[in-house]
Amino acid sequence: KQEVTQIPAALSVPEGENLVLNCSFTDSAIYNLQWFRQDPGKGLTSLLLIQSSQREQTSGRLNASLDKSSGRSTLYIAASQPGDSATYLCAGSGNTPLVFGKGTRLSVIA
Amino acid sequence: GAVVSQHPSRVICKSGTSVKIECRSLDFQATTMFWYRQFPKQSLMLMATSNEGSKATYEQGVEKDKFLINHASLTLSTLTVTSAHPEDSSFYICSARDRLAGGSNEQFFGPGTRLTVL
Repeated sequence: KQEVTQIPAALSVPEGENLVLNCSFTDSAIYNLQWFRQDPGKGLTSLLLIQSSQREQTSGRLNASLDKSSGRSTLYIAASQPGDSATYLCAGSGNTPLVFGKGTRLSVIA
Repeated sequence: GAVVSQHPSRVICKSGTSVKIECRSLDFQATTMFWYRQFPKQSLMLMATSNEGSKATYEQGVEKDKFLINHASLTLSTLTVTSAHPEDSSFYICSARDRLAGGSNEQFFGPGTRLTVL
């Protein structure tokens, strides 16, 4: 059964810094890897979806990579801004529903 | 495209009452929808998979008689929390897969429903 782990659990950085969030998964037969953002008390905002045949996806200041062989994905945020403060969740699926990690709570300090 | 709505967004009820939450795919058809639950400061945990026209598949530890799921059409799934108790207070989020998405297993998420049981 797929298990997803995210490190660190919380991260605080000054504005403008580049940062990396890590996600690892146990089942390499992953089909999709998605990164989401969740603001306090709100639902999920999908950031990036990487399919198993892909290595990375980019959207604006965000870049997500997928390495199936090592069971890892990273989310790179460039030039962080206070508005990036949120919880970031990664989730993976085979031909199964998405399994979520516990998230990384990011605070970007102005 | 690929919009999923939930109704209501927030509900407060007394202990012992039943609450129905609707999940709709607005611009696509979904043969499969999923219901997740999220407790404060926790991640999303899958409760059940809802298949159009058939019985839902529940995850281990989720009481199917307490959390009734109906997926009567390709655009609507409902979750009914029966005889709700304070420990059922949580954030309930649904998601759906596009029937015509081919090999993509992408799930589109609703905005969630916050249930508070007094």
